Amino acid sequence: KAGVTQTPRYLIKTRGQQVTLSCSPISGHRSVSWYQQTPGQGLQFLFEYFSETQRNKGNFPGRFSGRQFSNSRSEMNVSTLELGDSALYLCASRRTSGSTDTQYFGPGTRLTVL
Amino acid sequence: EDQVTQSPEALRLQEGESSSLNCSYTVSGLRGLFWYRQDPGKGPEFLFTLYSAGEEKEKERLKATLTKKESFLHITAPKPEDSATYLCAIGSNYQLIWGAGTKLIIKP
Repeated sequence: KAGVTQTPRYLIKTRGQQVTLSCSPISGHRSVSWYQQTPGQGLQFLFEYFSETQRNKGNFPGRFSGRQFSNSRSEMNVSTLELGDSALYLCASRRTSGSTDTQYFGPGTRLTVL
Repeated sequence: EDQVTQSPEALRLQEGESSSLNCSYTVSGLRGLFWYRQDPGKGPEFLFTLYSAGEEKEKERLKATLTKKESFLHITAPKPEDSATYLCAIGSNYQLIWGAGTKLIIKP
């Protein structure tokens, strides 16, 4: 079974630009979560989508948004990039939206904002 | 407030030297405690899920245990390839709440 895939793997942007990251979950998984990982803050929850609906959202500004398509693929968008948005963005999938289900992670997208 | 604390922050061991990593937590209702391994520049790799106090799970040189307040990841006779950051997380309200991780270095 193929794992979680994320594209692109690396991105370099400048302040003020916007970026879109993509995530394809494991086949049959309907829940996709996004996390930001930085050396200072560790892993922080951004949001979760299940059946095209956002079920939960972390404490991030409105510049961070996402969506999920009918095939469970998900995208997240960051507008008006700031230097502090430089991070590894991780996508995780699981079969259901319950917190007891194991989440499986993709390799991440490394975003660098200059 | 749900919270996860991992200790130590870093641990250096000689190959074959067994030890344990600690994950203490406070949560209103535990919906699973998860252990992951993360190599530099990669996504976390799932290791174990524990659901109730007293539960234990093993995989190769790793064994995870759970009490009502903490979990331990025991590593027996580690090898250099076990070097990684080990992350602990608790399930809460449709998300995972993470500890900061323990960076484990195994020297040959």
